Amino acid sequence: DGGITQSPKYLFRKEGQNVTLSCEQNLNHDAMYWYRQDPGQGLRLIYYSQIVNDFQKGDIAEGYSVSREKKESFPLTVTSAQKNPTAFYLCASSIYGYSYNSPLHFGNGTRLTVT
Amino acid sequence: KQEVTQIPAALSVPEGENLVLNCSFTDSAIYNLQWFRQDPGKGLTSLQSSQREQTSGRLNASLDKSSGRSTLYIAASQPGDSATYLCAAPNSGGYQKVTFGIGTKLQVIP
Repeated sequence: DGGITQSPKYLFRKEGQNVTLSCEQNLNHDAMYWYRQDPGQGLRLIYYSQIVNDFQKGDIAEGYSVSREKKESFPLTVTSAQKNPTAFYLCASSIYGYSYNSPLHFGNGTRLTVT
Repeated sequence: KQEVTQIPAALSVPEGENLVLNCSFTDSAIYNLQWFRQDPGKGLTSLQSSQREQTSGRLNASLDKSSGRSTLYIAASQPGDSATYLCAAPNSGGYQKVTFGIGTKLQVIP
């Protein structure tokens, strides 16, 4: 079955450490996205990528970095510069980036706790 | 920029009731709008993505662009429907920048 796999499900890190969250999709989708979800707030876009080797900042990119070396993979690194990294992180994909008729598909998320 | 509002924020109903979840958006120049279900600690599951697509026998989403509203109807609610329901409207240009509502947390009481 096609889908999006995020790993790990839970991640614990000490303050000051960088951490990388994995996102892999086998849907053959061109576009991939990273969102952050905090209690009482809507999902906020961190980074998105329309095609391989290209990505753009979303609304809250500071303290995060990404790469898109393969179509299937879009890892997110939470750096020590991110002031409040503890959150639920969601990866998504869509068939195309520039299309209204290209709905989002989500993974099951990674809950990151930084102490 | 697109703004999305979901009312109510939380809803508790007895099993069997028909109910309506609302989603309002400010930029009506959209093709469609997505509804999602989210269970606690899980990702988002898309319910539908078309303008007037029926999601299942009991769930039905509609979109009225002229009024800036989308409605998710749930007929004969069941305890298994308990979850948070989110709507997402694209900003101009498609889904690369989508605005999500905060969601409606639904509890269906047996």
